[in-house]
Amino acid sequence: QSVLTQPPSVSGAPGQRVTISCTGSSSNIGAGYDVHWYQQLPGTAPKLLIYGNSNRPSGVPDRFSGSKSGTSASLAITGLQAEDEADYYCQSYDSSLKVFGTGTKVTVL
Amino acid sequence: QVQLQESGPGLVKPSGTLSLTCAVSGGSIRSSNWWSWVRQPPGKGLEWIGEIYQSGSTNYNPSLKSRVTISIDKSENQFSLKLSSVTAADTAVYYCARIYYCGGACNWYFDLWGRGTLVTVSS
Repeated sequence: QSVLTQPPSVSGAPGQRVTISCTGSSSNIGAGYDVHWYQQLPGTAPKLLIYGNSNRPSGVPDRFSGSKSGTSASLAITGLQAEDEADYYCQSYDSSLKVFGTGTKVTVL
Repeated sequence: QVQLQESGPGLVKPSGTLSLTCAVSGGSIRSSNWWSWVRQPPGKGLEWIGEIYQSGSTNYNPSLKSRVTISIDKSENQFSLKLSSVTAADTAVYYCARIYYCGGACNWYFDLWGRGTLVTVSS
């Protein structure tokens, strides 16, 4: 059972903005630990999308942005594109463990 | 660039031991990284299994700790996973991944992943 909760699904039309929340607690995000985000395209391995709450690795479009406040974090996708249809996972640190969120499926309408 | 490749049997019998190896190419397993296993049951989310450093130090998910052993072979530039007493609930895609420590509150993240290998537990 994951300690980081995400909505099961979000959807949007091409060009729209969607956000995905990642809710934790005082032992992980609320303890000050950063949140990282991964994108998993259908049938592929996860790929690092955002690290340290809001930093993009080289090659990740600036349509993807992250933020953190209190015990939660968010991933925003602006200018949604068909290729963004995937599962997204947040990840942080809790009691010496690496913990993942429950995952969110993004559907492009 | 560094690449990770999982290998091992795709089918394991119930009560048996699942054994996988992750080969590291294009770089050294002796680098300042931890090396990890993550699994994903069909249609479900990601679960961190455990990790190992070049020194042999390990950390395991408490939910699996009694059944998991992760080892490293620096001469072969690879690390391995053994999961004992498997049941159908252990059926999953198993990924090996490199962990990067970004310091302080930034903690740890998985910056490189293998393609994954499906392991089915069935008689």
